[in-house]
Amino acid sequence: AQRVTQPEKLLSVFKGAPVELKCNYSYSGSPELFWYVQYSRQRLQLLLRHISRESIKGFTADLNKGETSFHLKKPFAQEEDSAMYYCALSGGGNQGGKLIFGQGTELSVKP
Amino acid sequence: DAGVTQSPTHLIKTRGQQVTLRCSPKSGHDTVSWYQQALGQGPQFIFQYYEEEERQRGNFPDRFSGHQFPNYSSELNVNALLLGDSALYLCASSLAGLGQNIQYFGAGTRLSVL
Repeated sequence: AQRVTQPEKLLSVFKGAPVELKCNYSYSGSPELFWYVQYSRQRLQLLLRHISRESIKGFTADLNKGETSFHLKKPFAQEEDSAMYYCALSGGGNQGGKLIFGQGTELSVKP
Repeated sequence: DAGVTQSPTHLIKTRGQQVTLRCSPKSGHDTVSWYQQALGQGPQFIFQYYEEEERQRGNFPDRFSGHQFPNYSSELNVNALLLGDSALYLCASSLAGLGQNIQYFGAGTRLSVL
């Protein structure tokens, strides 16, 4: 079964602390993994995708196929990082374009 | 560019009624996907339209149907509404091919079924 699991509904850290939002997936094949973010009163938007292998707003995520994980990390959290984060996957080929989302993790960065 | 626009923003219906939600994709995009997001959950894929045809479908009953017009805009129709259909309905647009997984979301239509 295709599934994305985000074990934490809420993650609270202090400003300047490291943050790691966990994401595990189940997919038979080679999926494409994403992190989407929704800031307060804004629409859902793409943060990063694993094939880009880039850092966005200081966030990085590495695809670990052995552990089927795609955790999102940032070494020093900022208050403006407070938002709802969703991990998502999509299959390749004719399964592309269908995003399967996790339940989301709310990140709260306290001053 | 206004991005992805959805209408209406809010809607209240009663059980058994039918509803139509509308979506205009981001300029230059040709593919529209619809998602249902229940409270406290992540979005769930309903279906995707490309070239005016349903290209993929998630695990939703036939009560959920859609349409894509030649200008790439799209409609989501839900018949025989149930209380459980109450949710935020999100539309996302993308460009077919290599860009199909880079989806731009609208603000959503919040449907309440009483």
